[in-house]
Amino acid sequence: VQLLESGGGLVQPGGSLRLSCAASGFTFNTYALTWVRQAPGKGLEWVSAISGSTSSIYYADSVKGRFTISRDNSKNTLYLQMNSLRAEDTAVYYCAKDGLPYISGWYDCWGQGTLVTVSS
Amino acid sequence: EIVLTQSPDFQSVTPKEKVTITCRASQNIGSSLHWYQQKPDQSPKLLIKYASQSMSGVPSRFSGSGSGTDFTLTINSLEAEDAAAYYCHQSSSLPWTFGQGTKVEIK
Repeated sequence: VQLLESGGGLVQPGGSLRLSCAASGFTFNTYALTWVRQAPGKGLEWVSAISGSTSSIYYADSVKGRFTISRDNSKNTLYLQMNSLRAEDTAVYYCAKDGLPYISGWYDCWGQGTLVTVSS
Repeated sequence: EIVLTQSPDFQSVTPKEKVTITCRASQNIGSSLHWYQQKPDQSPKLLIKYASQSMSGVPSRFSGSGSGTDFTLTINSLEAEDAAAYYCHQSSSLPWTFGQGTKVEIK
């Protein structure tokens, strides 16, 4: 099982960025997936989750209305579209695989993370 | 939102010592509490799910206990490779939340 994030980088406040997470080694459309972020030197923060069928989607209040989670089950890829970025969104963003087919809230596999820096 | 409070924030421990990390939830979460280990510059790794179920491949010195609002992660006979931050995480109700983390340093 492998998850590989990409798409991070430096962006100005108010800008947009799309993160991707390419998955392999498991039946992609069977499992829920999640984004978790970690600000520099800080703890973990749950961001968003999507079920395998995309019928269930949830967001943290801190990103609701600005971030959109999606997945392409034909490409085994998870996405996070981030708009109206703020300095406080600066973090390493991890994608993680839920341990169960539905949004279970525990993650048995994590990617290596991609760094998003919001700064002028 | 359910708040998870870990204690201590930091612990410096000699090898072979026993380490106990506690996690207190602001409301009853049953057994929907999971523990992760994050070594420096690495991604988190799931150690314990549902308070006490050890993940495959996790050394037997790691164990979890508790239910309701009070949970414990125990590391018996600490090894040098256990230097890491440890996080508890609840999946009882959205938004899922994490504890602030406990950093374990090896003396």
